[in-house]
Amino acid sequence: AQKITQTQPGMFVQEKEAVTLDCTYDTSDPSYGLFWYKQPSSGEMIFLIYQGSYDQQNATEGRYSLNFQKARKSANLVISASQLGDSAMYFCAMREGGYSSASKIIFGSGTRLSIRP
Amino acid sequence: EPEVTQTPSHQVTQMGQEVILRCVPISNHLYFYWYRQILGQKVEFLVSFYNNEISEKSEIFDDQFSVERPDGSNFTLKIRSTKLEDSAMYFCASSELDGSSGNTIYFGEGSWLTVV
Repeated sequence: AQKITQTQPGMFVQEKEAVTLDCTYDTSDPSYGLFWYKQPSSGEMIFLIYQGSYDQQNATEGRYSLNFQKARKSANLVISASQLGDSAMYFCAMREGGYSSASKIIFGSGTRLSIRP
Repeated sequence: EPEVTQTPSHQVTQMGQEVILRCVPISNHLYFYWYRQILGQKVEFLVSFYNNEISEKSEIFDDQFSVERPDGSNFTLKIRSTKLEDSAMYFCASSELDGSSGNTIYFGEGSWLTVV
């Protein structure tokens, strides 16, 4: 069974600082994908970034990067130069199966990030 | 930018009543999902749907739940006899199988269901 663990229920960070949100996962499938979603207070789920298990490089999307350490089974999200609008709940998620898979994704319990001005 | 749309955004219903939550997935997507999130808790998978049939369902998705794609655009979740514990945010999502970004699942803005 797949499992996603986010050990930080909440974090406070000063505006403009970088922040790392932790995520570890457990799967026996060699082919999998890792996702990060942002959920602001309004409730919607916003896709941020994706990392495939066979991708050679860490994924980046603007201020978001994914620190993928396959041997340690970790997929931490790094947000550079944090902004007040980054305050939200952040979920790590995983899907087993590779590029041919459209199976469900499973979510971690989330980290609530609060940015201080 | 294409998006998943859901209606209603919020619904209050009496316990025991039937509820239908509606979704319009992104137009070229072929895989559809329903997830739910009880207030303050994690996002839970309910069901996935492809080619007019259920691909996978969770233990939560019992006989009181059903899904349907009544036409070429809508995807619905029906809860036959609502219970207090069904109160949650229900997310519809869709995905295409083109290999890009791991076939990312894109979510709608959710439908808040309150059972009283």
